[in-house]
Amino acid sequence: NAGVTQTPKFRVLKTGQSMTLLCAQDMNHEYMYWYRQDPGMGLRLIHYSVGEGTTAKGEVPDGYNVSRLKKQNFLLGLESAAPSQTSVYFCASSSQYGRDGYTFGSGTRLTVV
Amino acid sequence: SQQGEEDPQALSIQEGENATMNCSYKTSINNLQWYRQNSGRGLVHLILIRSNEREKHSGRLRVTLDTSKKSSSLLITASRAADTASYFCATSNSPATSGTYKYIFGTGTRLKVLA
Repeated sequence: NAGVTQTPKFRVLKTGQSMTLLCAQDMNHEYMYWYRQDPGMGLRLIHYSVGEGTTAKGEVPDGYNVSRLKKQNFLLGLESAAPSQTSVYFCASSSQYGRDGYTFGSGTRLTVV
Repeated sequence: SQQGEEDPQALSIQEGENATMNCSYKTSINNLQWYRQNSGRGLVHLILIRSNEREKHSGRLRVTLDTSKKSSSLLITASRAADTASYFCATSNSPATSGTYKYIFGTGTRLKVLA
């Protein structure tokens, strides 16, 4: 029972490089979310999806793109990484409306130099 | 735009003592959740309390909600070293018609339980 799996767990990028973070869930959840966690800032919502083929902007979407081509996968892309995107990224999923709580992945620690 | 703010920011107690953390928020909510995060790990859902509920229990956890004061508290009784973690509250005030309850997380309380 994997839950939510994030890959990779760690990554170092140079400024201007691109990368994709993958989130996969095996709970048949409709809703998926990408958060970033920075010291003293709590978790901030980047983008979310309420179903396959749908995406929406969260609180801090600039510099990121997402895709939800399959229900179980939610991809977060950085087209041109900046040092300000150094953070820990968490993916989460939930059943309808998220009323029963989110299931989080273990995170991806990204450093942009 | 921080909705929930936990207090205190850090708490250190002895094993066996009770730990109380508070969460205050600014606007009316649909429900409030508490999460635990161990160092270097993802968040784990602990408990959800709806806006029409005043108190919920789950094992050694007790959550209260006072909507008139816009605050919630998480009580961990008989704490253990394994309870050492950061604890976050998350609030949602999204209307159901928006299609999802979007949660806003606070900055967390760092709890250290000394053996």
